[in-house]
Amino acid sequence: QSALTQPASVSGSPGQSITISCTGSSSDIGGHDYVSWYQQHPGKAPKLIIYEVSNRPSGVSNRFSGSKSADTASLTISGLQTEDEADYYCFSYSSGITYVVFGGGTKLTVL
Amino acid sequence: QVQLQESGPGLVKASQTLSLTCFVSGASISSGTHYWSWLRQPAGKGLEWIGRIYTSGVTNYNPSLRGRVTVSADMSKNQFSLELTSVTAADAAMYFCARDGPGYYFEYWGRGTLVTVSP
Repeated sequence: QSALTQPASVSGSPGQSITISCTGSSSDIGGHDYVSWYQQHPGKAPKLIIYEVSNRPSGVSNRFSGSKSADTASLTISGLQTEDEADYYCFSYSSGITYVVFGGGTKLTVL
Repeated sequence: QVQLQESGPGLVKASQTLSLTCFVSGASISSGTHYWSWLRQPAGKGLEWIGRIYTSGVTNYNPSLRGRVTVSADMSKNQFSLELTSVTAADAAMYFCARDGPGYYFEYWGRGTLVTVSP
């Protein structure tokens, strides 16, 4: 059981926008701005795409954006492309006993 | 360009100790500016953070694994290591090493190494 809750799957068509939610608690997402998002293609290592809620690392497309409201963080991908089809994981620092927590992952299908 | 490469036996017997090493290039683990982490991912499942080490030797571990896990570093070889004792089938996974960013996130990742646990 992951400490952060993500939808198991989302889908969209090329060119559309989708949003993946990540719900936690006041101990993690709601209490800190240390939320990050990772993209993972099959058989590959995860790749950092958003850090500290809304910052993009150098080289990551500006089609990826992050936000947070209360205990829920969100990843939005605009202008969907076929190469965006992957698993997406959220991650947060936690002031609780677990120290850090991951979401269970969301499979994005680009139809 | 920071690169990390995991190394270690792909097969470990149950009850024995899993030992992995992460070789780092393009950055110095002794620079004192980053933590260095281990994570894992069972087949078809999500990610789990295992633990991390800082230049000073300070370590943090996932409470669910505390008591079985040790992360150490060899500054002279620019590498850090993971030891997980008393492994069971539940420890079978792809193991990744990573460099933390200045905050709580994982900036650079190794490709991962698959560990299988035999009876």
